[in-house]
Amino acid sequence: AQSVAQPEDQVNVAEGNPLTVKCTYSVSGNPYLFWYVQYPNRGLQFLLKYITGDNLVKGSYGFEAEFNKSQTSFHLKKPSALVSDSALYFCAVRDHNTDKLIFGTGTRLQVFP
Amino acid sequence: GAVVSQHPSRVICKSGTSVKIECRSLDFQATTMFWYRQFPKQSLMLMATSNEGSKATYEQGVEKDKFLINHASLTLSTLTVTSAHPEDSSFYICSAPTGMYNSPLHFGNGTRLTVT
Repeated sequence: AQSVAQPEDQVNVAEGNPLTVKCTYSVSGNPYLFWYVQYPNRGLQFLLKYITGDNLVKGSYGFEAEFNKSQTSFHLKKPSALVSDSALYFCAVRDHNTDKLIFGTGTRLQVFP
Repeated sequence: GAVVSQHPSRVICKSGTSVKIECRSLDFQATTMFWYRQFPKQSLMLMATSNEGSKATYEQGVEKDKFLINHASLTLSTLTVTSAHPEDSSFYICSAPTGMYNSPLHFGNGTRLTVT
């Protein structure tokens, strides 16, 4: 079965510092991996995806993620955090056959001024 | 980009009544839409997959008679919470793939349901 794990419930970082939100995956076959962000009482917004190709994926709002096959990880990163980046972040993997997205438990990012 | 519109954004209803939530794909056709439920400070739980022109596929443990899903057209799916109870209070989110290969799912803004 496909799954993703987000080991951190919350990540705190000071504004201007680099941030990392961790995600590891477990899939059979090639992984289709996604990151989404959710602001309070809103739906999810797509940030970036990895399907194939370059291991470093660049996405919206200055975010990027690195696909690491040997470590089965897909950590989300940003070189310089903004207070406005504070939100709930979800890693997800797509089931190839059904198009279903399977979400991690989410990581709350808090960026302090 | 692809837009999914969900309505209403908030609804309060009394126990025993039914509530309908609409999910529309505004600029693309969606033969499939997904309905999720999110509890406070928790992840999204897939409830069901709605299929245009056929019955919805429900995930294990989701009551079909409780959560009625209808996918009447290529741009509209509805979720009706029947005989609502306070424990049905939650945040419901719909999503749809655009159909393009490996495109991301696009999500509605969610519906906050409160049953009193």
